[in-house]
Amino acid sequence: AQSVTQPDIHITVSEGASLELRCNYSYGATPYLFWYVQSPGQGLQLLLKYFSGDTLVQGIKGFEAEFKRSQSSFNLRKPSVHWSDAAEYFCAVGPFSTGNQFYFGTGTSLTVIP
Amino acid sequence: GAVVSQHPSRVICKSGTSVKIECRSLDFQATTMFWYRQFPKQSLMLMATSNEGSKATYEQGVEKDKFLINHASLTLSTLTVTSAHPEDSSFYICSATSTGTGTSNTQYFGPGTRLTVL
Repeated sequence: AQSVTQPDIHITVSEGASLELRCNYSYGATPYLFWYVQSPGQGLQLLLKYFSGDTLVQGIKGFEAEFKRSQSSFNLRKPSVHWSDAAEYFCAVGPFSTGNQFYFGTGTSLTVIP
Repeated sequence: GAVVSQHPSRVICKSGTSVKIECRSLDFQATTMFWYRQFPKQSLMLMATSNEGSKATYEQGVEKDKFLINHASLTLSTLTVTSAHPEDSSFYICSATSTGTGTSNTQYFGPGTRLTVL
């Protein structure tokens, strides 16, 4: 069965430091992969997505993610975190032909300290 | 592009009443819309998937008679919580996807609706 794992429930980084959020998926083939960000009380905003091609994907707000097939991972990175990056981050895979649905990870909460 | 709106953003109602939440795709045609429920500090729980012009497909454990979903047009889906109870209080989020260029295979989310049932 398809699944998405975000091993880190909560991460705290200092402003200006680098960031890496982990995401692992379980699926027989290469799925479509996404990272979304959610600010408190808001919906989800798409940061970036990977469908095929170059395994390093650039997104909005200075984020990037790298797809590694051998590790079934799609980790999100940012070289220098800003205080406004504090939010909840969700990794997702999909859609699948069995209903067009996506599977979301449990999310990683990011705290940025001055 | 690919903007999804939800209305209302926040609603408070009395127990036993019904509440309707609208989800609109503003600049693309949404062939499929999804309704999620999110509890505090948790991930999204898919409630149902709706395709324009057909009945919604509900996830296991979701009462279809309580959560009525209508997807009457390519830009509008509604979720009606019938006979709401305090345990229905939650954050409801919709998303939309289409087969159009630039929006295919990607879910775009609305800003969410906070429902509080007294």
